Order: sequence, then C-alpha cells, then structure tokens
Amino acid sequence: EAGVAQSPRYKIIEKRQSVAFWCNPISGHATLYWYQQILGQGPKLLIQFQNNGVVDDSQLPKDRFSAERLKGVDSTLKIQPAKLEDSAVYLCASTWGRGTNTEAFFGQGTRLTVV
Amino acid sequence: AQSVTQLDSHVSVSEGTPVLLRCNYSSSYSPSLFWYVQHPNKGLQLLLKYTSAATLVKGINGFEAEFKKSETSFHLTKPSAHMSDAAEYFCVVSEAGTASKLTFGTGTRLQVTL
Repeated sequence: EAGVAQSPRYKIIEKRQSVAFWCNPISGHATLYWYQQILGQGPKLLIQFQNNGVVDDSQLPKDRFSAERLKGVDSTLKIQPAKLEDSAVYLCASTWGRGTNTEAFFGQGTRLTVV
Repeated sequence: AQSVTQLDSHVSVSEGTPVLLRCNYSSSYSPSLFWYVQHPNKGLQLLLKYTSAATLVKGINGFEAEFKKSETSFHLTKPSAHMSDAAEYFCVVSEAGTASKLTFGTGTRLQVTL
C-alpha cells in the first residue's frame, strides 16, 4: 500500500514569511497527526485529527500555526509568520484508528529552514 | 504525565556484536511502549511495541525489547549488529489503550563499524 505522502520535502524561507505543508495519509486512515522534530530532539505532537475534527491541539502554537483537514483526508499545516525557532522537520503520521493495536505510519517529513 | 528517557545519545558497536539501547519510562497509567527507527531521509518505522501482553517483545530485523515494570525500563537489544542497523532509534510511550499522544524520547544514534 502507498505510504504517507508529504510535500514539499524541503523548504527555505525568511523569517516572517508564511509557509504551508501538505500531507496525504494512507487511504482509509481516519486519524492524522502533525509532529515537529527539532534537530537533536524527538518528534513532538502538534495536532491530532480524527476524520476532519481536531482531537488534540494543546501543543500547537495557535498564534502562528494553523492546520486543517477538510473532507477528512488530506491535511495542510501552515505557519504565519515563521520564526527562526520554527526550523525543524515537520512529520505527518496516520493511523487506522486510535486503539493500542493500531500502528502510526510516518511520512518522510518536510525539512523547514527559516533564515 | 508520561515521559521517556533514553540514557545514551550515541552508541557505537562493531558489526556482529550485540546492541543495547537503553530506555526508561514514566507513566501515570499502564503504558504502551514502542521503539521506532529513523534512517536518514526516511520516515520513522515501527520496530516493535509492548501493549500489556508478553513482556518480551520481538520486532523486525532481529530486534527485541523487554518490559520491566519494577525497573520502569524498556531496553532494545539485538544479538548481532549489522551495518544496515545504523540509524536513529526512538523510545516512545503512550497511554494504554490508545496509539495517540505518542511521547518520544530524544533518540539514540547507533553507529555500526566494521
């Protein structure tokens, strides 16, 4: 089966600019996650969707980050305006459900550099 | 609150020798525990998971981990390292009964030398 697709793979922007990332989860996966992985750290959950509804966005910096999952399939994550500390790899993951026996499948990520 | 501590940021072994990557966890509930591997320029891949069944868990590529509640540990082992095992390894915890809210450790970079 096809994996989680993310684009772009790399993005370089200047601080205060805007940027958007796109994620297409595995077909049929109802749960979608966005993670931020800063260099040298483990991924940190930003937001979790169940179908097109937000389940958890407690760690999303809502003053500059936004995410949506219209129609419960693809998702976009936006940063506006970007700061230097937003430089990181943004990972998208999806699962079929939310139970223990479901496995999270991760995309290759988008590496963002803010200069 | 849940957390994991990976005790080594970098481990170097010779090919053919055993691998030990250490992980301690903290959780208010009965945890589910995972090990993920991240190869350069590739997505995170699940190696194995513990979900309150057998305490010794076998995963892919010859890796296994043992859940020790008394020591709050979930160390990852492999009897014989291969060059292709060189990667970043993450220990992950979540509350039992859910695959959501995965909390990652800071990672251990495994280097395998000839």
